[in-house]
Amino acid sequence: DAGVIQSPRHEVTEMGQEVTLRCKPISGHNSLFWYRQTMMRGLELLIYFNNNVPIDDSGMPEDRFSAKMPNASFSTLKIQPSEPRDSAVYFCASSVQGSHTQYFGPGTRLTVL
Amino acid sequence: AQSVTQLGSHVSVSEGALVLLRCNYSSSVPPYLFWYVQYPNQGLQLLLKYTSAATLVKGINGFEAEFKKSETSFHLTKPSAHMSDAAEYFCAVSDQGGNTPLVFGKGTRLSVIA
Repeated sequence: DAGVIQSPRHEVTEMGQEVTLRCKPISGHNSLFWYRQTMMRGLELLIYFNNNVPIDDSGMPEDRFSAKMPNASFSTLKIQPSEPRDSAVYFCASSVQGSHTQYFGPGTRLTVL
Repeated sequence: AQSVTQLGSHVSVSEGALVLLRCNYSSSVPPYLFWYVQYPNQGLQLLLKYTSAATLVKGINGFEAEFKKSETSFHLTKPSAHMSDAAEYFCAVSDQGGNTPLVFGKGTRLSVIA
């Protein structure tokens, strides 16, 4: 049974470039979360979806960040334009109603030069 | 608002010794509490969770945690540390369980000395 799949695993880009991170949740899960991990701020929620609908995006840093979930099996997190302070590990997690368990993907390590 | 405080950013124990990682939470509603482990360059793996059932929760790899409402604590323990337990451990809280966002502590890095 495949877990949460994230791509790419590593991304190195230059300041000002557009970055798109991808996530495939576990089949049958109806909630999807994007978290960011940095040394300074730890793990923090960016946005989450229930049944493909964004519920809370208050953690999205600014308008440069956007997230979509066009269907139950795919989500993207886009940063445009990217800045060095966006360098972090971005995790996607999914869960199913009533399970009380979020399953995390391996993360995408983003480096913005 | 919910929050989690993990006491000690780094804990070092000898192999075979007791592991104790501390977590205190703040929540205005009955909390759901979680411990996750993160190995280098990997995602987070659930160790155990408290969902208002038994206050002593047993998890994977021999870990357990006890929910103490009076102390607002959810400390993680393991009787005997193994080298393979060396990792980063995160305590997290949510107000409605797994379908709502987790609020994480800063993490505790556990080192195990041979």
